[in-house]
Amino acid sequence: NAGVTQTPKFRVLKTGQSMTLLCAQDMNHEYMYWYRQDPGMGLRLIHYSVGEGTTAKGEVPDGYNVSRLKKQNFLLGLESAAPSQTSVYFCASSPPGPSNQPQHFGDGTRLSIL
Amino acid sequence: EDQVTQSPEALRLQEGESSSLNCSYTVSGLRGLFWYRQDPGKGPEFLFTLYSAGEEKEKERLKATLTKKESFLHITAPKPEDSATYLCAVQAGSADGLTFGKGTHLIIQP
Repeated sequence: NAGVTQTPKFRVLKTGQSMTLLCAQDMNHEYMYWYRQDPGMGLRLIHYSVGEGTTAKGEVPDGYNVSRLKKQNFLLGLESAAPSQTSVYFCASSPPGPSNQPQHFGDGTRLSIL
Repeated sequence: EDQVTQSPEALRLQEGESSSLNCSYTVSGLRGLFWYRQDPGKGPEFLFTLYSAGEEKEKERLKATLTKKESFLHITAPKPEDSATYLCAVQAGSADGLTFGKGTHLIIQP
């Protein structure tokens, strides 16, 4: 039982390049989330999904897109990377039922934009 | 706007020296308050959920409590392996995501 798995773990991009971060969960969770963590700041919600085929914006969605084609996967895309998107990205999922269930996190993707 | 403030930002204790971490919050309609532990290079690890004022949860040397304005994470007789950053987060109103504080970096010296 792997829980929440994020790939890749590290990545360096040049400004303007695109990439996709993958999150996979094996717990049959309905809800999935993408957060970013920056020094001196709390984790901030980028986008989230309440079920397969659905997505919604969080606190800091600009510059990112997401897709949830399969229940177990949640993809975060950067179409044209900017230095301000240098951060650690965390994916999380939470079980069915009331949405105030605890979220379970992956170990993050460390992304640097040069 | 939901706000979560954690204090202190950093805390250094001797092994066995008990203390408390604070999480104060300003939200409209609290649905849950969550404590997480985060080790360097890792994702947040879930510790506790508190749903209503007066609720308490315990796990080994940790005890979390909740009032209408704040939560405390009490650490009793800590060990070096308790060293980590402790994060507090709230879910409120109609939000599906969490609002996090900046965390308390705890160091337990042998």
